[in-house]
Amino acid sequence: EVQLVESGGGLVQPGGSLRLSCAASGFTFSNYWMHWVRQAPGKGLMWVSRINTDGSATIYADSVKGRFTISRDNAKSTLYLQMNSLRAEDTAVYYCVRPITGTMNAFDIWGQGTMVTVSS
Amino acid sequence: QSALTQPASVSGSPGQSITISCTGTSSDIGGYNYVSWYQQHPGKAPKLMIYDVSNRPSGVSYRFSGSKSGNTASLTISGLQAEDEADYYCSSYTSSNTRVFGGGTKLTVL
Repeated sequence: EVQLVESGGGLVQPGGSLRLSCAASGFTFSNYWMHWVRQAPGKGLMWVSRINTDGSATIYADSVKGRFTISRDNAKSTLYLQMNSLRAEDTAVYYCVRPITGTMNAFDIWGQGTMVTVSS
Repeated sequence: QSALTQPASVSGSPGQSITISCTGTSSDIGGYNYVSWYQQHPGKAPKLMIYDVSNRPSGVSYRFSGSKSGNTASLTISGLQAEDEADYYCSSYTSSNTRVFGGGTKLTVL
């Protein structure tokens, strides 16, 4: 079964750091670009970041650029999101997502999400 | 990158058809055929319903269809059913090589 399982969420103070992980299984992880998408409580979806297959190219939403870093370990089939200088507005469920085979621009596999709460 | 514009809510009766619009710019929807639509039930992860403007993933009902004209994309659901009640989000590739989502539309089946 194709699956993505996020972990690492929790409560962190403003200015703090957190690293999210996403364990992939059931498909050849190294063949896919991967993304992070987040959803603040009661709000809509927001695209956060993308990484290419070997980790050499990354891109970020303006609101997280310079604070968040996406990375991957293909040997462990795991995607990461290092989040620094966290703000209250970063509070959200963070989803690891995989594009549908054949196109890089739609996400057919979503994890269950991990909640990040930034609060003092 | 500004979010794509969707109506906050739409409603319809069982059996009817509804259409949800998603308006962007020439830098996203209008510039590429990379519009996708997602359905999200409360407390669940989003589910891909349409990709590349009008393609349905395997397992998605034929009642869901997508189209695009200029800077506006549309999702049509025909033969509305109770289980279609959910939030719907559009998304597009952008000229900045990022992705952008719409604000979401709450569909109520009366």
